[in-house]
Amino acid sequence: DTAVSQTPKYLVTQMGNDKSIKCEQNLGHDTMYWYKQDSKKFLKIMFSYNNKELIINETVPNRFSPKSPDKAHLNLHINSLELGDSAVYFCASSQFPGTGGRDTQYFGPGTRLTVL
Amino acid sequence: GESVGLHLPTLSVQEGDNSIINCAYSNSASDYFIWYKQESGKGPQFIIDIRSNMDKRQGQRVTVLLNKTVKHLSLQIAATQPGDSAVYFCAEMGTTDSWGKLQFGAGTQVVVTP
Repeated sequence: DTAVSQTPKYLVTQMGNDKSIKCEQNLGHDTMYWYKQDSKKFLKIMFSYNNKELIINETVPNRFSPKSPDKAHLNLHINSLELGDSAVYFCASSQFPGTGGRDTQYFGPGTRLTVL
Repeated sequence: GESVGLHLPTLSVQEGDNSIINCAYSNSASDYFIWYKQESGKGPQFIIDIRSNMDKRQGQRVTVLLNKTVKHLSLQIAATQPGDSAVYFCAEMGTTDSWGKLQFGAGTQVVVTP
């Protein structure tokens, strides 16, 4: 069984388009995250949701909007795509942090976004 | 090591040898550290973690060492196997104010040679 899944795995689109990436976790976790990995393999957190509420919102263009319909899902919608948005986007989840957020984060397989 | 251009620092290890991957962290307030392994085309996979009240933790074939004095973390892999070839990331998390916010290092590419 896949613990954290993302769709699609690959996404190729034109500049200016709007696209969404979906994420689902079946681990029963309360917290979900979105990370961006650039061409140099650098991983940086973008957003975090706990029980459908936004708790981390890094300096990300407001063209990026996360949406959490329930605690098992965290989708990422991107408006007006730009060339610089090309990257691999990873979803992750962790248990409710009784330890102040210091819980293992489990990652999905990633979505490779290419903007032409 | 530091990344130069598009190239990650690379550690070449002969199969069967032990590997040591190093990581320097900058935030002295960090109190939780994780090592992840990322194979080509996949997401980061949890290997082992350590909290700041410890200086050593062992898993299956892996050991993490934490030296808070010099802000240094290392991952030791015993008897390295071809399946260990991947990019390895250290990640740190700070105080309560940075709740859930993992900061990743640049990554080290491990290449296991026969």
